[in-house]
Amino acid sequence: DAKTTQPPSMDCAEGRAANLPCNHSTISGNEYVYWYRQIHSQGPQYIIHGLKNNETNEMASLIITEDRKSSTLILPHATLRDTAVYYCIVRPPGAGSYQLTFGKGTKLSVIP
Amino acid sequence: EPEVTQTPSHQVTQMGQEVILRCVPISNHLYFYWYRQILGQKVEFLVSFYNNEISEKSEIFDDQFSVERPDGSNFTLKIRSTKLEDSAMYFCASSEEGGLVTQYFGPGTRLTVT
Repeated sequence: DAKTTQPPSMDCAEGRAANLPCNHSTISGNEYVYWYRQIHSQGPQYIIHGLKNNETNEMASLIITEDRKSSTLILPHATLRDTAVYYCIVRPPGAGSYQLTFGKGTKLSVIP
Repeated sequence: EPEVTQTPSHQVTQMGQEVILRCVPISNHLYFYWYRQILGQKVEFLVSFYNNEISEKSEIFDDQFSVERPDGSNFTLKIRSTKLEDSAMYFCASSEEGGLVTQYFGPGTRLTVT
């Protein structure tokens, strides 16, 4: 799987948009970008994933650059409950490898 | 909304004892996983399981570990002879299919080996 690079920590004011970057410059054409988060030692929670196009769901938006070498997870109106470690994971589709490889992620602190 | 459940939430055991961690995956899911997270460290993959067989395992998943789906709903992780370094959070996950499909995680079992 391609390696990802994320800043170790970020702060965001409550109610503002949180923009979490991820660099995956070695991503290959069939690899998807996944985002998970982990709130204080709870189980990782799926947020969103995408391949080429930008994606949006009820939790967040995912913006992938045209060259696919980086992406940004956007939480449009951060709340205190969004304080968590956010993981960007790149993995290929299909059979052969089922595991998710978690890095250190970005610790997002939402500040009142 | 369907969710993965795990029991117990916290297990304390003495070194050398056997422990069984239990998980109930989401009912229509076919692929099951165990991960662990030692305090302050990354979440690490242990094993994936499909059709009553291990489909993939990591180097961590050595002979002291085993997994089983004893009935239609439970998925278990057994650690035969626990060591101090087995102390960690253990997370179960499940997915509808393998490969690309999203994995949904349970809340975890905190295992403390004394």
